[in-house]
Amino acid sequence: AQRVTQPEKLLSVFKGAPVELKCNYSYSGSPELFWYVQYSRQRLQLLLRHISRESIKGFTADLNKGETSFHLKKPFAQEEDSAMYYCAGYGQNFVFGPGTRLSVLP
Amino acid sequence: DSGVTQTPKHLITATGQRVTLRCSPRSGDLSVYWYQQSLDQGLQFLIHYYNGEERAKGNILERFSAQQFPDLHSELNLSSLELGDSALYFCASSADPRGVANTGELFFGEGSRLTVL
Repeated sequence: AQRVTQPEKLLSVFKGAPVELKCNYSYSGSPELFWYVQYSRQRLQLLLRHISRESIKGFTADLNKGETSFHLKKPFAQEEDSAMYYCAGYGQNFVFGPGTRLSVLP
Repeated sequence: DSGVTQTPKHLITATGQRVTLRCSPRSGDLSVYWYQQSLDQGLQFLIHYYNGEERAKGNILERFSAQQFPDLHSELNLSSLELGDSALYFCASSADPRGVANTGELFFGEGSRLTVL
C-alpha cells in the first residue's frame, strides 16, 4: 500500500539556520511526490512537486529513489517559513504524510 | 481564496446523529477529494470522485458515504456519529482525474470542523 511518512512532528530551528524536513515514501511503481504547506489561518497549498525540480521560496526537494526519500530543504530559514508542511504522493490515491510543524525562531 | 467552498464551517452534534458536509469545487474542476484530519493525525484520504464517479476509496468507514452531483458539488455523509469522528474534514478539487495533470495541484477548501458531543 502506498504510504508517506514524516518522522518529525515538530522541528524548531533558528532564523538563518538550514532546515530539512524529512519525508519517506513507500510506493509501488514510480510515485509522484509533492510538498504542501499550510501557513497560519491559510488553506493548505502546493509548495512544490518533484517533477518540476523547482525552487519555491528557497525550498528544494530531491527525490532519492534509493532511499525512497523526498526531503525538503532550505539553506537559510526565515521566520515566515513557520508553518505546517505535508509531504504527499500520488500513486493510486493522493496520500499525505502526517505533517511536520516547522517553527523558525528569531 | 482557492475557489473551493465548504459548508458548514463548524458543526456541533451529538453521538448517533447524521450530518452532511458539502463541497463546491473550483469552477471547471471535475475531481473532488475528501480528507479527514483528526487531532494529532495527518490528512487521512477518504474518497475521490471524478465527474460524478467514484475513483478511489481510502480509509473511509462504512458509516460514511459520499457522492458527486451533476453540477460537480460533492457531499460527505457521516452517520451514527461517534466521539472519534470529531475532526476537520477537508475537500480538495483538481482539474485532472489523477489530481496531478500539469501542475500536480489540489486546491483545498477551508474545511468543516465537526464536533461530536
